[in-house]
Amino acid sequence: GAVVSQHPSRVICKSGTSVKIECRSLDFQATTMFWYRQFPKQSLMLMATSNEGSKATYEQGVEKDKFLINHASLTLSTLTVTSAHPEDSSFYICSARSPGTSGGSREQYFGPGTRLTVT
Amino acid sequence: GENVEQHPSTLSVQEGDSAVIKCTYSDSASNYFPWYKQELGKRPQLIIDIRSNVGEKKDQRIAVTLNKTAKHFSLHITETQPEDSAVYFCAASIMDDMRFGAGTRLTVKP
Repeated sequence: GAVVSQHPSRVICKSGTSVKIECRSLDFQATTMFWYRQFPKQSLMLMATSNEGSKATYEQGVEKDKFLINHASLTLSTLTVTSAHPEDSSFYICSARSPGTSGGSREQYFGPGTRLTVT
Repeated sequence: GENVEQHPSTLSVQEGDSAVIKCTYSDSASNYFPWYKQELGKRPQLIIDIRSNVGEKKDQRIAVTLNKTAKHFSLHITETQPEDSAVYFCAASIMDDMRFGAGTRLTVKP
């Protein structure tokens, strides 16, 4: 299956600083990537849909100025958590829609996740 | 928007028994229903999926059934093994919009 990588796997930062997380599709081109947030023992909450070459679409309640998403190429999307605070500590996971030419819903392949801890 | 409910939240079975996890969805336009398995601290892995034009799909010990009329779908795991222990998420999708259930923590006791 398609492989999605994510970097870094863990990051600890101080309150007020910014952190960038990278999501890469390794063996396919992903015009659309997704960013999720997962709290301990909870489900995956979609934060935003990242589209190559255009602005991301954010879910209701997600601050777009705080969670900056850039999808500058067909294999890379980045999430930058700006002015991080302890409440931003979480597990962030990206995914990419599987490659294919047909329309309709397709499976998503997930990155390994990034555990962010803000002190 | 789509709302996916998943039950039970926790499930404990003896090795060799079957496990069933059920999900309901709200949007009749949803047409793709994947199931993911997530082990602690790891990425969700797709284990089986079903599309709205199919009622049942099986892959070895795992099967999924879909009832479009009732808008519910279920995951069935037979002959459970300790390595099946994980959190399982169902999801319902329309195009790129995929919504997840709350998850079921399955524990298989040896």
